[in-house]
Amino acid sequence: DGGITQSPKYLFRKEGQNVTLSCEQNLNHDAMYWYRQDPGQGLRLIYYSQIVNDFQKGDIAEGYSVSREKKESFPLTVTSAQKNPTAFYLCASSAGTGDLGYNEQFFGPGTRLTVL
Amino acid sequence: GQNIDQPTEMTATEGAIVQINCTYQTSGFNGLFWYQQHAGEAPTFLSYNVLDGLEEKGRFSSFLSRSKGYSYLLLKELQMKDSASYLCAVRDGDYKLSFGAGTTVTVRA
Repeated sequence: DGGITQSPKYLFRKEGQNVTLSCEQNLNHDAMYWYRQDPGQGLRLIYYSQIVNDFQKGDIAEGYSVSREKKESFPLTVTSAQKNPTAFYLCASSAGTGDLGYNEQFFGPGTRLTVL
Repeated sequence: GQNIDQPTEMTATEGAIVQINCTYQTSGFNGLFWYQQHAGEAPTFLSYNVLDGLEEKGRFSSFLSRSKGYSYLLLKELQMKDSASYLCAVRDGDYKLSFGAGTTVTVRA
């Protein structure tokens, strides 16, 4: 089955600890994205990557870091510098980012991070 | 920055029609998407508009007017399983998606 996996679904961490959220896709998509969703707010873009070994900051990148060493993997690290890390984190991928077709984003099931 | 507005909540009866409006102001435009999101789950793609007009897909239709910065999602013959949040998202000039806060639709029997 092709799709996007995120693990774990629920994650608890103590304040001051770094934590890495995994995202894997087997859709052979070039582009991958990380979003954060808070109650009553839309999805906000943290980082995105259009190709392996390249990534760009989104609207709320402070306190986060990413890597894209493999096409299928785009892990997100929430560092201790992120002031309000408790949120629902969604990873997505798309075939591309241009206007060749829909290029809709497909989302993983999400990871709910709670920092105690 | 990008500004995308949609109503917070809507309630409708099973079998009825509901229209969810979305207005946007973005730097550049390369298409508008509608996603459905059930509580605690991932958003799933519903529709895409890049040209003015209506796109129909079964019980769901989406309309776009680029000159007015306006779109709507029409849900017909509502079913209980349609109770969810509906997200309007605009792809801007840099091909990034900006999302509205979502409209929670509650379908009552």
